[in-house]
Amino acid sequence: DTEVTQTPKHLVMGMTNKKSLKCEQHMGHRAMYWYKQKAKKPPELMFVYSYEKLSINESVPSRFSPECPNSSLLNLHLHALQPEDSALYLCASSQEGFQETQYFGPGTRLLVL
Amino acid sequence: GDSVTQMEGPVTLSEEAFLTINCTYTATGYPSLFWYVQYPGEGLQLLLKATKADDKGSNKGFEATYRKETTSFHLEKGSVQVSDSAVYFCALSGRTGNQFYFGTGTSLTVIP
Repeated sequence: DTEVTQTPKHLVMGMTNKKSLKCEQHMGHRAMYWYKQKAKKPPELMFVYSYEKLSINESVPSRFSPECPNSSLLNLHLHALQPEDSALYLCASSQEGFQETQYFGPGTRLLVL
Repeated sequence: GDSVTQMEGPVTLSEEAFLTINCTYTATGYPSLFWYVQYPGEGLQLLLKATKADDKGSNKGFEATYRKETTSFHLEKGSVQVSDSAVYFCALSGRTGNQFYFGTGTSLTVIP
């Protein structure tokens, strides 16, 4: 099973709202990722968790707050977003280490009004 | 640093035509190479991969061969179908742990 699940599938929020995106995998992977993807562009890395600890933050604004409660779950908490944050947010997971395959979820399509 | 250069799109082909999407890379050492496909409104799906020189990845009629001498990993399919219409991303995973490098993506449209 190489499935990564994400909820919700779609999300509309105002600039003052607080919401969370959720990601889950049961492949025993110890690295998990958040990406942001704009239309017709490749995914842009936001955060990497390795063994449930934040290992990479690609200078993401603090209105995005990641959390890894356990080895299977990854959350992205959203607060005071801007319209330009509207995008597809993808979660991925992989084995820890070099040259490993990343498996992606279906994404959450976020619209900020 | 590591990088991937991918053929610009969009590409439009007739059904049953031959497909090639070019991908070249720059990396130190021996990276793993991947092709991902993204259908409209969906996430990225792993299409195929290769982990060492001369390896051929294949899946669903698509093939790509890891060519170290030309630093390339071109995607090919002998006869495309309408259902192959999607965006294709070439990607590299190298010696920097947990880092992927994506190409810009190539949009493919197959017309009946």
